[in-house]
Amino acid sequence: AQSVSQHNHHVILSEAASLELGCNYSYGGTVNLFWYVQYPGQHLQLLLKYFSGDPLVKGIKGFEAEFIKSKFSFNLRKPSVQWSDTAEYFCAVSGAGNNRKLIWGLGTSLAVNP
Amino acid sequence: DARVTQTPRHKVTEMGQEVTMRCQPILGHNTVFWYRQTMMQGLELLAYFRNRAPLDDSGMPKDRFSAEMPDATLATLKIQPSEPRDSAVYFCASGLGTGLGSGANVLTFGAGSRLTVL
Repeated sequence: AQSVSQHNHHVILSEAASLELGCNYSYGGTVNLFWYVQYPGQHLQLLLKYFSGDPLVKGIKGFEAEFIKSKFSFNLRKPSVQWSDTAEYFCAVSGAGNNRKLIWGLGTSLAVNP
Repeated sequence: DARVTQTPRHKVTEMGQEVTMRCQPILGHNTVFWYRQTMMQGLELLAYFRNRAPLDDSGMPKDRFSAEMPDATLATLKIQPSEPRDSAVYFCASGLGTGLGSGANVLTFGAGSRLTVL
């Protein structure tokens, strides 16, 4: 079955701490991978995506994610978080090509204390 | 900035009433999605359109929900009759799917319609 697992449901960090949010997927074939972010009271926004090429993907606001095919993982990282990074983070996977709907994880809630 | 526009932003209604939510996708985008977000279930895909044609509405309760795209600039999600369990935030998102890539899943979301059914 196709699924996305985000292991950390709630993460609390202090400012300047390093962040790594786990994402593992179950999906047959070539995949596209995404991280979306939802700031409090706002809509979801694309943070970064992987389609092909370099498995280390850089996104907005200093975030990056690494696609490790052998581990079926696409973990999100940031070396030093800020209070403004407090948000819900969603990992999603789809098959490559069009007409492939996104499979979403349940999200990880990140709270950064100033 | 191009944006996806959703109306209404907030709706409080009584059980049994009809609710219609509207979405204006980004001009030129050819894929439109309706999602429902709740604390318990997270993000659920309700319906998915490509070039105005419904491709997948398997996540939508057919007896009370309906989704349409009367034209390229308007998508609607209707609930009739509404029930308290329909209370959620409903997001519309649009994307641009081409024959060569997976842009259809690079989504721009609207601000959402928060529905409360009493």
